[in-house]
Amino acid sequence: KAGVTQTPRYLIKTRGQQVTLSCSPISGHRSVSWYQQTPGQGLQFLFEYFSETQRNKGNFPGRFSGRQFSNSRSEMNVSTLELGDSALYLCASSLYRADTQYFGPGTRLTVL
Amino acid sequence: GDSVTQMEGPVTLSEEAFLTINCTYTATGYPSLFWYVQYPGEGLQLLLKATKADDKGSNKGFEATYRKETTSFHLEKGSVQVSDSAVYFCAPFVLTGGGNKLTFGTGTQLKVEL
Repeated sequence: KAGVTQTPRYLIKTRGQQVTLSCSPISGHRSVSWYQQTPGQGLQFLFEYFSETQRNKGNFPGRFSGRQFSNSRSEMNVSTLELGDSALYLCASSLYRADTQYFGPGTRLTVL
Repeated sequence: GDSVTQMEGPVTLSEEAFLTINCTYTATGYPSLFWYVQYPGEGLQLLLKATKADDKGSNKGFEATYRKETTSFHLEKGSVQVSDSAVYFCAPFVLTGGGNKLTFGTGTQLKVEL
């Protein structure tokens, strides 16, 4: 069974732009969560989606948003990029909300 | 709020040495506990988990026991290999009415030398 896939793997953007990252969960998994990893803040929870609804949100500004589609694929969007948004963005999927999360390889975003 | 304390790294060991990485947590309710590992340039891989008190999770020679009384989940391996060099993250998984999430520690970098 294929793992969690994330596209693109690498992105370079400039301040003020916006970006959309995509995550395809493991087949059959219905829950998707997003995390941001930076050297300074470590791994921080962004969002949790289940059945196309955001179930939980971390402490991030409104510039960070996401959605989940009927096939469980998820996207996250960051608008008005700032230098501090440079990070590895990790997506994780689980069979259902209370189940073990399996992570994708991440999208490395660099904001110049 | 929920939090995790892991021992500071890097931890440098010789091959075949014994490994312990300490992890203590504070969390609401009764979390499941996880160890994830991250190799350079990659995402997180599930290493092992335990879902209730006194459960022992194990995988690839690594073990950790869920100690509810001390809120700890220390990772151990009897004989490390160079290929075990990576960053290890302890993470309780908390189920709440408002949503579920993993809370990660800062990670402990392990370097294994020949």
